[in-house]
Amino acid sequence: QKEVEQDPGPLSVPEGAIVSLNCTYSNSAFQYFMWYRQYSRKGPELLMYTYSSGNKEDGRFTAQVDKSSKYISLFIRDSQPSDSATYLCATSSSGSARQLTFGSGTQLTVLP
Amino acid sequence: GAGVSQTPSNKVTEKGKYVELRCDPISGHTALYWYRQSLGQGPEFLIYFQGTGAADDSGLPNDRFFAVRPEGSVSTLKIQRTERGDSAVYLCASSLMASGGETQYFGPGTRLLVL
Repeated sequence: QKEVEQDPGPLSVPEGAIVSLNCTYSNSAFQYFMWYRQYSRKGPELLMYTYSSGNKEDGRFTAQVDKSSKYISLFIRDSQPSDSATYLCATSSSGSARQLTFGSGTQLTVLP
Repeated sequence: GAGVSQTPSNKVTEKGKYVELRCDPISGHTALYWYRQSLGQGPEFLIYFQGTGAADDSGLPNDRFFAVRPEGSVSTLKIQRTERGDSAVYLCASSLMASGGETQYFGPGTRLLVL
């Protein structure tokens, strides 16, 4: 079993829809939670960053972390065709390991 | 400012050959990471450097893989006796320092194809 599980999709929605992307994780040591966006043939780009449990909002994007259930979510409001990309959840711990542990990514297409 | 750059952007080689992949981190970033991303998967950690030294190489799959960062800036990932299974996108990331939760900035990757 992978440490971070993510539904690979693909997910296709009409423009303007609310998108919900989710991940679960198994390692209780994870303290930092991130969402990266990756366009085709590009490197991952940091979208949202959250420390421990709680919500964080940035424009049309909201990240939620529930450490009690080990559940990570990203919501996109008023989705746009330019949001079409692969979304990767990632985690890291506060211990000696510094690397990010990624989910497998969800491919999102927003149809105009 | 300039982001993380990686060269070459694409590399095609034959099974058994040696390849070198280069990463130029963001200026001033002391931590540098290498990841490997297979098709349809998320990036998987290979190795990270704090300054010139490899602080954690636990993700390197075997001894055919090696990385260096001799002056604490540019890093080279070296793969000996390449195998078809090494075909993937090799991503480099850098961060200001290697502390928990530090934001990692990724380069565009090098697409390696081993024939």
